[in-house]
Amino acid sequence: NAGVTQTPKFQVLKTGQSMTLQCAQDMNHNSMYWYRQDPGMGLRLIYYSASEGTTDKGEVPNGYNVSRLNKREFSLRLESAAPSQTSVYFCASSELPTGVTEAFFGQGTRLTVV
Amino acid sequence: GENVEQHPSTLSVQEGDSAVIKCTYSDSASNYFPWYKQELGKRPQLIIDIRSNVGEKKDQRIAVTLNKTAKHFSLHITETQPEDSAVYFCAASKGSGGSNYKLTFGKGTLLTVNP
Repeated sequence: NAGVTQTPKFQVLKTGQSMTLQCAQDMNHNSMYWYRQDPGMGLRLIYYSASEGTTDKGEVPNGYNVSRLNKREFSLRLESAAPSQTSVYFCASSELPTGVTEAFFGQGTRLTVV
Repeated sequence: GENVEQHPSTLSVQEGDSAVIKCTYSDSASNYFPWYKQELGKRPQLIIDIRSNVGEKKDQRIAVTLNKTAKHFSLHITETQPEDSAVYFCAASKGSGGSNYKLTFGKGTLLTVNP
């Protein structure tokens, strides 16, 4: 049972380039989330999907888009990367909304924008 | 929206001592308070959580206390061991439908347990 899997684990982008971070979970969870983690800032919610077919903005959505491809997969897209988007990105999933049940995190993607 | 403050930002203790991390929240409607542990280079993992209808919860060497009147909750680790060294995050949520179920995290506490 893999849990939550993110790809890639590391990525370096040039300013202005685009990329998509992939996330898949095999726990049959309804809710999925994308967070970014910056030093001294904790985990900040970018976008979330309460259930298949729905997505909503979180705390820091600017510069990002998401797609809930199916129940298993939730991708995060950077259309035009900026140095301010250098961060560690975590995907997470939960059976019910994270205010109710445990969130399971992926291993993270370390993104550097130069 | 909800604001979660976490203190201290760093904490260093000797092996065997106790460690306490404190968090305050701003939204009195919040009713779910989890704690996550993140080891260096790893993913955050839930270690304990508490709901607003409970004042204290224990799991072996860790415990969480909640004071809803004062809007603060704390993580207590007793008999600390080197493997407890990690970053600990508190979080708060209203735990209901719609946008209310988003977790708001504190900024984290780096705990170092010295052998």
